[in-house]
Amino acid sequence: GQQLNQSPQSMFIQEGEDVSMNCTSSSIFNTWLWYKQDPGEGPVLLIALYKAGELTSNGRLTAQFGITRKDSFLNISASIPSDVGIYFCAGHLSGAGSYQLTFGKGTKLSVIP
Amino acid sequence: GAGVSQTPSNKVTEKGKYVELRCDPISGHTALYWYRQSLGQGPEFLIYFQGTGAADDSGLPNDRFFAVRPEGSVSTLKIQRTERGDSAVYLCASSLRGQGSNNEQFFGPGTRLTVL
Repeated sequence: GQQLNQSPQSMFIQEGEDVSMNCTSSSIFNTWLWYKQDPGEGPVLLIALYKAGELTSNGRLTAQFGITRKDSFLNISASIPSDVGIYFCAGHLSGAGSYQLTFGKGTKLSVIP
Repeated sequence: GAGVSQTPSNKVTEKGKYVELRCDPISGHTALYWYRQSLGQGPEFLIYFQGTGAADDSGLPNDRFFAVRPEGSVSTLKIQRTERGDSAVYLCASSLRGQGSNNEQFFGPGTRLTVL
């Protein structure tokens, strides 16, 4: 089963607002990744984090790899309608094969114009 | 260049039937993965290929599920005696290599399997 707790499960925000979502685990992860999935599509990689404490930005997106290696957050600034979708955190568990991704259950984002 | 492609995009079958799902990875990617995504859940790992061999099939739920990659490129996920609980979106991903850092997985659009 999945070992990532992702929150919130869903959120409704006004266009232009900032968004924050996070993932936590009782297990240590070697990498943290954030994906976005649109209906009928596969997940698309947004940001990849490889070192504890790492803070990485991709346009309006910022993500951090927690110091304890057991958590990560994703922030979206100045949201726009095309940000709508489901956001998944994922990572490679320490001790497991570095190829196998473990996913959270997703955060469904709705943006009200 | 082309991304990961999967066929069919949708498959409806009856309980007890056999199905095959196909994945074409990104050209040059040696690693290929299958995941299963149930409604409202994140993808769950099924199997990983490095080249032609299944390096890890620990995620396959039971022996009705089998996957091959005979020439190290296209892969086929095979499900025998399908059950209603097999209904899900089956995602394929590929990466340049399977191990090591900075090895992002790129996903296909998935095949939505419905077992009636």
